[in-house]
Amino acid sequence: DTAVSQTPKYLVTQMGNDKSIKCEQNLGHDTMYWYKQDSKKFLKIMFSYNNKELIINETVPNRFSPKSPDKAHLNLHINSLELGDSAVYFCASSPRQNMNTEAFFGQGTRLTVV
Amino acid sequence: GQNIDQPTEMTATEGAIVQINCTYQTSGFNGLFWYQQHAGEAPTFLSYNVLDGLEEKGRFSSFLSRSKGYSYLLLKELQMKDSASYLCAVRAFNQAGTALIFGKGTTLSVSS
Repeated sequence: DTAVSQTPKYLVTQMGNDKSIKCEQNLGHDTMYWYKQDSKKFLKIMFSYNNKELIINETVPNRFSPKSPDKAHLNLHINSLELGDSAVYFCASSPRQNMNTEAFFGQGTRLTVV
Repeated sequence: GQNIDQPTEMTATEGAIVQINCTYQTSGFNGLFWYQQHAGEAPTFLSYNVLDGLEEKGRFSSFLSRSKGYSYLLLKELQMKDSASYLCAVRAFNQAGTALIFGKGTTLSVSS
């Protein structure tokens, strides 16, 4: 059973389109995250979402918006896609925001904008 | 803000021991983590330190000195499958709550 699952695994789309990536965790965790890993393999935090509290990394463009229908899901919606958005996007979860526990990662979504 | 530094690349041979260093500067420190990431895969958790000292887990050990802002990951009896990126991450109060903030990773190549 997959603990943190993302769909799709690969996504190729044209500039200007709007797309969503879905994430679900079956671990009963309270906190979920979205990370972006660029071509240099640098893993950068985009959002934290904990009990309906959204904490946004201020460097993330407002074209990116997380949506959480419930505690087990945190989807990422991207408007007006740009070439620079091409990257691997990882969803992750951890039991609680401030606990000393590791984060569990999904398998990643490789987004290519053409 | 946070600053996390680790070497970009390292090479080693099978059976050897390698130490990957990580230095960090942060406020509100709440733990240091090491992850392994194989190419095209998700990061997977290796170890966690919140107090000073050495944590041992099989072939892998991790050390932390909070006063020096320093950690290392020690890999013993290297195997070819240990070729991967090793990511140092700090949990601290930051611009995204207390999410893990990652360094840029160290790519380790193990040769026979």
